Amino acid sequence: EAQVTQNPRYLITVTGKKLTVTCSQNMNHEYMSWYRQDPGLGLRQIYYSMNVEVTDKGDVPEGYKVSRKEKRNFPLILESPSPNQTSLYFCASSSPGTWENTGELFFGEGSRLTVL
Amino acid sequence: AQSVTQLDSQVPVFEEAPVELRCNYSSSVSVYLFWYVQYPNQGLQLLLKYLSGSTLVKGINGFEAEFNKSQTSFHLRKPSVHISDTAEYFCAVRSNQAGTALIFGKGTTLSVSS
Repeated sequence: EAQVTQNPRYLITVTGKKLTVTCSQNMNHEYMSWYRQDPGLGLRQIYYSMNVEVTDKGDVPEGYKVSRKEKRNFPLILESPSPNQTSLYFCASSSPGTWENTGELFFGEGSRLTVL
Repeated sequence: AQSVTQLDSQVPVFEEAPVELRCNYSSSVSVYLFWYVQYPNQGLQLLLKYLSGSTLVKGINGFEAEFNKSQTSFHLRKPSVHISDTAEYFCAVRSNQAGTALIFGKGTTLSVSS
């Protein structure tokens, strides 16, 4: 089954404790992206990657890091989480032809992060 | 740059009633338009999209949307809603130029009650 898988789905952590949210897709997509969803603000892009070893900042990159060492994986790293990073995070991917031609995205089920 | 405005943050309706979720966009270039739906505790999935051609676009679950270039709108409609349509709906826009970002609206919560 074609899917985007995120882990963990739920996480409660404390300020300053490094964490990684993993994202993996099995559709051989080149384009991958991270969004955060906050009430009243919709989805905002954190980082995206057009291909392996190619990443770029989105609208709200502060406090986050990403890496793209393999095509299927695109982990989101919070080196020193803070309470304002409490949010619902989504990973999304798209095939080259689809992304370049239409922008259609396939989303994971989300990771709800709480930073105390 | 593109932007998108969803005019209603919440829309409550009764089952079997018609519904319209409003979306306006701004762009200086041609755009692609999307509606995504997010059911409770799930990720977003594509409902429908407008790329070019016919301005009336039909999607899954009986939804349709009409692209109106003169009014820069892409409103989503369904003639008769079900309880199962309760979800959050996001309008999104991107330019038709390669490499540009997909911009999401802030979402509209559709609540269908019996």
